[in-house]
Amino acid sequence: QQPVQSPQAVILREGEDAVINCSSSKALYSVHWYRQKHGEAPVFLMILLKGGEQKGHDKISASFNEKKQQSSLYLTASQLSYSGTYFCGTENTGNQFYFGTGTSLTVIP
Amino acid sequence: DAGVIQSPRHEVTEMGQEVTLRCKPISGHNSLFWYRQTMMRGLELLIYFNNNVPIDDSGMPEDRFSAKMPNASFSTLKIQPSEPRDSAVYFCASSPRLRSDTQYFGPGTRLTVL
Repeated sequence: QQPVQSPQAVILREGEDAVINCSSSKALYSVHWYRQKHGEAPVFLMILLKGGEQKGHDKISASFNEKKQQSSLYLTASQLSYSGTYFCGTENTGNQFYFGTGTSLTVIP
Repeated sequence: DAGVIQSPRHEVTEMGQEVTLRCKPISGHNSLFWYRQTMMRGLELLIYFNNNVPIDDSGMPEDRFSAKMPNASFSTLKIQPSEPRDSAVYFCASSPRLRSDTQYFGPGTRLTVL
C-alpha cells in the first residue's frame, strides 16, 4: 500500500533541476507532497486531486498521472533552501492514506 | 495567527502509563490530522477529522490509541496503556477544509516511553 518514491537520495548543485517520483499500486484519489527539514515538522507543499492535474508555485511544481497512479515533483533551479526530505502521501479511492519512504534532497553551493 | 499549537512538546513516561497529547488547530480550520513519525516506520497518518467528526481512523495502530475532537478548537490523542514502541514524534495538522491546498503542521510532541 505504501507508495514507492524514487530516487531515495539526490545531491544537486545550486541551480540544477530535480525530479522526484511517487508511484502507487492502488487507484488514487489524491497525492500530497511535503518537505521536512531535520528536526522540524513537515511542510505541506501541495495536493493534486484525481482527474489528473499539474500544479506549481515558485519553482516547485507537480503532476499527477491518474492512469499510471504516479505523481512527480519538479524542482527547478534549486536553491539551498530546498534541501530536506520530500515525502509523497497518497490517498486511494478507499480513503486510505499512506506516505512514501521519503527522498533526501541535498543542495550544495 | 499563532499557528497549530501542540502540547506538551516533550513527554517522557513509563510503560503502562496513560499519555494524552493535545492539539489546538488554527481558528476557522475545519479539518484536523494526527500523524506519527518514527525512524522505523516513517510518517504515518493516524486519524483525521472534518468538522469535528472522525473521517478515517484506519491508521490508528491499536485499541490503545484513541482520538477525540470535542469542539472545533481542541483535539486529543490518548494512548492507554503506553508501550516503548509508541515512542515517536506526534504531529497535529489543520487545514481550512478537507483536501485543501494547505495543511499547517504543529511543532510536534516528542514522546518517549521507557
